[in-house]
Amino acid sequence: ELKVEQNPLFLSMQEGKNYTIYCNYSTTSDRLYWYRQDPGKSLESLFVLLSNGAVKQEGRLMASLDTKARLSTLHITAAVHDLSATYFCAVDGNDYKLSFGAGTTVTVRA
Amino acid sequence: KAGVTQTPRYLIKTRGQQVTLSCSPISGHRSVSWYQQTPGQGLQFLFEYFSETQRNKGNFPGRFSGRQFSNSRSEMNVSTLELGDSALYLCASSYDQDIYNEQFFGPGTRLTVL
Repeated sequence: ELKVEQNPLFLSMQEGKNYTIYCNYSTTSDRLYWYRQDPGKSLESLFVLLSNGAVKQEGRLMASLDTKARLSTLHITAAVHDLSATYFCAVDGNDYKLSFGAGTTVTVRA
Repeated sequence: KAGVTQTPRYLIKTRGQQVTLSCSPISGHRSVSWYQQTPGQGLQFLFEYFSETQRNKGNFPGRFSGRQFSNSRSEMNVSTLELGDSALYLCASSYDQDIYNEQFFGPGTRLTVL
């Protein structure tokens, strides 16, 4: 069974500083996704990563994928308050389902 | 393009009752998946349908069932509700015909079992 581990589970960020969230998974996969969830809301798609070495950037967020290491990272540059949310990585196990990490709850403080 | 819609948004039921949740996918999407989200277990896969066929099912008891209609709309049913079924139930749809297979999530149905 595909296992997905995210760390850290909680991240208190200081505004203006850089941070990284890590996502490890246990078996080969063709696709990895990052989602954002605000309290009481649904999941918002951030990135789809398809191949080894894939890097995508949107604003202050950058995601990368290393399929050999089975590792994806979500890098946050110069954190701002509106990035406070829970971030999930999810892996497509090629079996018509996504396996999710436990999520990283991010709080950005002044 | 309208997003994934789910009805109802909130439900309160008592133990032993049954419930039906509905999901309308994005127009053109033929794959619909259901997930349960709880604080303790996180996001867990329930089932996935494509063209009215269930292609995968998660590790949930038989009280959880689903179906998909010819217009790709989907329903899930939970019978004999238990307190532990209280959760946010999320539906996601995808085109499933491209390499991205990106799943778009609906707003969810918040089920409370008393």
